[in-house]
Amino acid sequence: RKEVEQDPGPFNVPEGATVAFNCTYSNSASQSFFWYRQDCRKEPKLLMSVYSSGNEDGRFTAQLNRASQYISLLIRDSKLSDSATYLCVALDNQGGKLIFGQGTELSVKP
Amino acid sequence: DGGITQSPKYLFRKEGQNVTLSCEQNLNHDAMYWYRQDPGQGLRLIYYSQIVNDFQKGDIAEGYSVSREKKESFPLTVTSAQKNPTAFYLCASMRVTEAFFGQGTRLTVV
Repeated sequence: RKEVEQDPGPFNVPEGATVAFNCTYSNSASQSFFWYRQDCRKEPKLLMSVYSSGNEDGRFTAQLNRASQYISLLIRDSKLSDSATYLCVALDNQGGKLIFGQGTELSVKP
Repeated sequence: DGGITQSPKYLFRKEGQNVTLSCEQNLNHDAMYWYRQDPGQGLRLIYYSQIVNDFQKGDIAEGYSVSREKKESFPLTVTSAQKNPTAFYLCASMRVTEAFFGQGTRLTVV
């Protein structure tokens, strides 16, 4: 079983749609979590960190459920520019291991 | 400007040759990472290092080697033992809340 697993893609949605990505992690030593965005043939960039209390940044909302070892990302009012691959990431803060999920591709259409 | 630099951007090598990929950071980060990404796949962890002169194997370390003699530098050697070395290689350094990536090296073995 992979340490970080994400919904298989691709997600094809119209502009303005709300889309949700799910992610589960298996290493209970993981303490910090993130969502990264990767554009085609580019390096990943941090979209947002994920906190137990949930956090929001504009149209993006991230949630963490430690009991279920589950992380989510909600994108509201999708824009064409949101088209990218979204990567779920877990960090074992003590051991230092930083593990990425396989990514979920999002394509927002006009 | 602070950042993380990978070189070269594109690298071609003959099968059976060892090749070393460079990764340098001036962000004063302790932790550094090497990942491999194949087309349509997520990032798979090769090696990581939390401090100078210490590093750990990731999930796919076979056929690779690293060194961490300086805080700023974490070179990756792809050896002839790596069965399928053609891939996109990404280096990252990390502070507590964010991992920063270099622009990657695309290695093609012919």
